[in-house]
Amino acid sequence: AQSVTQLDSQVPVFEEAPVELRCNYSSSVSVYLFWYVQYPNQGLQLLLKYLSGSTLVESINGFEAEFNKSQTSFHLRKPSVHISDTAEYFCAVSHPWGGAQKLVFGQGTRLTINP
Amino acid sequence: DGGITQSPKYLFRKEGQNVTLSCEQNLNHDAMYWYRQDPGQGLRLIYYSQIVNDFQKGDIAEGYSVSREKKESFPLTVTSAQKNPTAFYLCASSGEGQAQPQHFGDGTRLSIL
Repeated sequence: AQSVTQLDSQVPVFEEAPVELRCNYSSSVSVYLFWYVQYPNQGLQLLLKYLSGSTLVESINGFEAEFNKSQTSFHLRKPSVHISDTAEYFCAVSHPWGGAQKLVFGQGTRLTINP
Repeated sequence: DGGITQSPKYLFRKEGQNVTLSCEQNLNHDAMYWYRQDPGQGLRLIYYSQIVNDFQKGDIAEGYSVSREKKESFPLTVTSAQKNPTAFYLCASSGEGQAQPQHFGDGTRLSIL
């Protein structure tokens, strides 16, 4: 069975510092990987996704994630964070399930940016 | 703009009462999903539907029911059998195929009076 582990429940960093949010997954088949962001009292928004090809994927707001098959990881990074990046971040793996798509989510990492 | 609309944003339930959460999408997606979010537990799948008039149980379906009479609509009923209904409920939809990301509504927060 697929599972996703986000190794840190909370990550506090100072503004303009780099950050890495860790995600490891387990799967016996090829998967697609996603990072979603959730701002307070809102739904989830897609941040970036890995489907195939280049193992480094980027989002429009400066985040990037690297797919590492040997380490079964998909860590999210940003070289310099802003106050507006304060949110909860979810890593998810997609796999086929009875003809549909099932997303398995990690427990989430709350990113707090301090001025 | 295309998207998913959930209503109401906040909902209160009395003991023994059934309540229904609305989810409407205009993305022309076939698949729709309901998740429950509790602090520190991520999202857990309640029900999903691949097509009109068809739906399947997810990981935590007990105490919940759904219907899918129209492609655009996938309402969730939280029944009195759900003994711990206080949570944030999220509806999502996706296009065909495993690689398609899911699009989420802004959620309904359900509390017990």
